[in-house]
Amino acid sequence: TQLLEQSPQFLSIQEGENLTVYCNSSSVFSSLQWYRQEPGEGPVLLVTVVTGGEVKKLKRLTFQFGDARKDSSLHITAAQPGDTGLYLCAGVEQAGTALIFGKGTTLSVSS
Amino acid sequence: NAGVMQNPRHLVRRRGQEARLRCSPMKGHSHVYWYRQLPEEGLKFMVYLQKENIIDESGMPKERFSAEFPKEGPSILRIQQVVRGDSAAYFCASSPRDSRRETQYFGPGTRLLVL
Repeated sequence: TQLLEQSPQFLSIQEGENLTVYCNSSSVFSSLQWYRQEPGEGPVLLVTVVTGGEVKKLKRLTFQFGDARKDSSLHITAAQPGDTGLYLCAGVEQAGTALIFGKGTTLSVSS
Repeated sequence: NAGVMQNPRHLVRRRGQEARLRCSPMKGHSHVYWYRQLPEEGLKFMVYLQKENIIDESGMPKERFSAEFPKEGPSILRIQQVVRGDSAAYFCASSPRDSRRETQYFGPGTRLLVL
């Protein structure tokens, strides 16, 4: 059983469209992070959210942490081909030290 | 201001050989984490170390795998008598303090191929 469920697993859209990626769990997390990973490289941190209900914006990307700190979403406005990549959510459980990853969402944006 | 460094980036070993993977954390970071990424699977935690101490090795296979983070020098993930199933990308991450509220920064990974 995957502790962090990401959906959708694959997403293929046209340039200019909006999209949302979800990260859900039944566990409470002390923090949750979103990473982007390019082929052959390590995950690169996009954002960390720590407070329930928190919303963070990074240009066209909007990240939200659920009020109960069990889920998160990543919304991309007006997607561009440069947004193509693997998006990973990861969190540290309240009583844990290990970063737990979801399986990721592979996004493909075509022009 | 270098990030997390890992070497080698690619490593090819034959079954039964040893693999040594190195990780130099970001400057000022004293916490190191190792993860493994198998094809079609997410990143899985292996071990968490501070300088000279293993804090959590709950994700590490009990046999053939070991990790260290000496007082001086990089952290080393060592795999003895490698088997084909060890082929994967191994990532190291570091943080300045306890990871529960601190961001972990990842290195580029070492891709291990066992022939």
